[in-house]
Amino acid sequence: EVQLVESGGGLVQPGGSLRLSCTVSGFIFANFAVTWVRQAPGRGLQWVATMTETGHVAHYADSVRGRFTVSADNSRNTLYMQMNSLKVDDTAVYYCTTGSGWNDPWGQGTLVTVSS
Amino acid sequence: DIHMTQSPSTLSASVGDRVTITCRASESISDWLAWYQQKPGRAPNVLIYKTSNLGSEVPSRFSGSGFGTEFTLTISSLQPDDFATYYCQQYSSYPRTFGQGTEVKV
Repeated sequence: EVQLVESGGGLVQPGGSLRLSCTVSGFIFANFAVTWVRQAPGRGLQWVATMTETGHVAHYADSVRGRFTVSADNSRNTLYMQMNSLKVDDTAVYYCTTGSGWNDPWGQGTLVTVSS
Repeated sequence: DIHMTQSPSTLSASVGDRVTITCRASESISDWLAWYQQKPGRAPNVLIYKTSNLGSEVPSRFSGSGFGTEFTLTISSLQPDDFATYYCQQYSSYPRTFGQGTEVKV
């Protein structure tokens, strides 16, 4: 069974940093794309970033490019998203999911709150 | 960026109703469209990919159609478990974009 588990969320002040982790099991991690999608409280889904066939090319939403960086540790079956210069508007539940196109399955999400 | 517009934003329906949700893309996306269902406090779950292909273990009452810029998700007979929010998503190009969501409620 394919599973994804996010961690690393929490409360951070504006301008601060966090690193999210997405640990996957049940498939060969390096052969799949992994995507981050976020959802602000009470709002819809917003695509954030995709790393294709983990470790190759990364794509980013304009709103996070230059501040967020995705990376992969294939030996740990884990994808990371380093989030710097966080803004209040980055407050959201962050989901990781497999696929560079349609996405399935999804993790349970981790909440990032950016507030002073 | 490709803008995705869903209609309606909210839909009131009853068990047994046939429900149709429309998704329009601001430019042609061929058939690179997915539909997701999300319940409160839960992660989204894929219903349909590539416009009309059912996700794993998705009931056959769900169906999708369309091409280019106009797409529909149809629930043939609404069940109690189907009251949720539905999102379309294009994956024709980056950035991937979602519709704003359609809440199906009683």
